[in-house]
Amino acid sequence: NAGVTQTPKFRILKIGQSMTLQCAQDMNHNYMYWYRQDPGMGLKLIYYSVGAGITDKGEVPNGYNVSRSTTEDFPLRLELAAPSQTSVYFCASSSSGGGNSPLHFGNGTRLTVT
Amino acid sequence: LAKTTQPISMDSYEGQEVNITCSHNNIATNDYITWYQQFPSQGPRFIIQGYKTKVTNEVASLFIPADRKSSTLSLPRVSLSDTAVYYCLVGGTTSGTYKYIFGTGTRLKVLA
Repeated sequence: NAGVTQTPKFRILKIGQSMTLQCAQDMNHNYMYWYRQDPGMGLKLIYYSVGAGITDKGEVPNGYNVSRSTTEDFPLRLELAAPSQTSVYFCASSSSGGGNSPLHFGNGTRLTVT
Repeated sequence: LAKTTQPISMDSYEGQEVNITCSHNNIATNDYITWYQQFPSQGPRFIIQGYKTKVTNEVASLFIPADRKSSTLSLPRVSLSDTAVYYCLVGGTTSGTYKYIFGTGTRLKVLA
C-alpha cells in the first residue's frame, strides 16, 4: 500500500497564479483532511471531507477550494496565490471520524509563493 | 471542540524517561486522545491512542486519569532519534463534527 500520496513535493508559484495540490489515498478511507504548516508552527486545518461529495471548512479555508468526487482523491485548489500561502501542505486520511481511527499523513507539498 | 494545551518545549537526556502532559478540559464523552510525532520535513506519525486509563505499546505509554481532562505521554529511555515535535489530538463524533484540530505541540529535544 502506498498510503497517502501527495504531488508535487515542491512548487514555486508567482503571486496571482493558481495551482492544484493533489492528494490520493489507497486505503479506502472516507475521511480526508488538508492541513498547512508554517515554518516552526503547528498544523492548521484548511478543509476536510467525510466522504465523496461532502466537504467542509476547517480553521483557515480562505483562499482555498476543495472537491471530493471520488473516495480516493481530495485535491486542494489555490486561486490567486499570495505570499501568505507559503507553507507546507499535508493531506491526511482516516477510516472513520469516530476519533479512534488515527490520521495517516502524506509527506507534504512545500509551496513557495513569490 | 476540545482545545488542547501542552508545554511548548522540553529538554531531556538520552536514557531518561520523558513525560509530556496535555490538558483537554472540555473533552467530550465520545472523544479519543491520540498522540502524534513529527520529524522535520515529514508528516505527523501516529504514536498511541487511548480513551481512558492506561494504554501501552512498543514505543510509548499513555496515562489518562478518570476525569479525562488531561493525558500524559510517556516515552521510556529516550534516544537522540526521539527529538521531534509531539502533538496531542482530541477528537471524535461529538456534535457530528469530525474536525481534528492540532494544538501547538511540544518540541522535545534529547541531548547526549
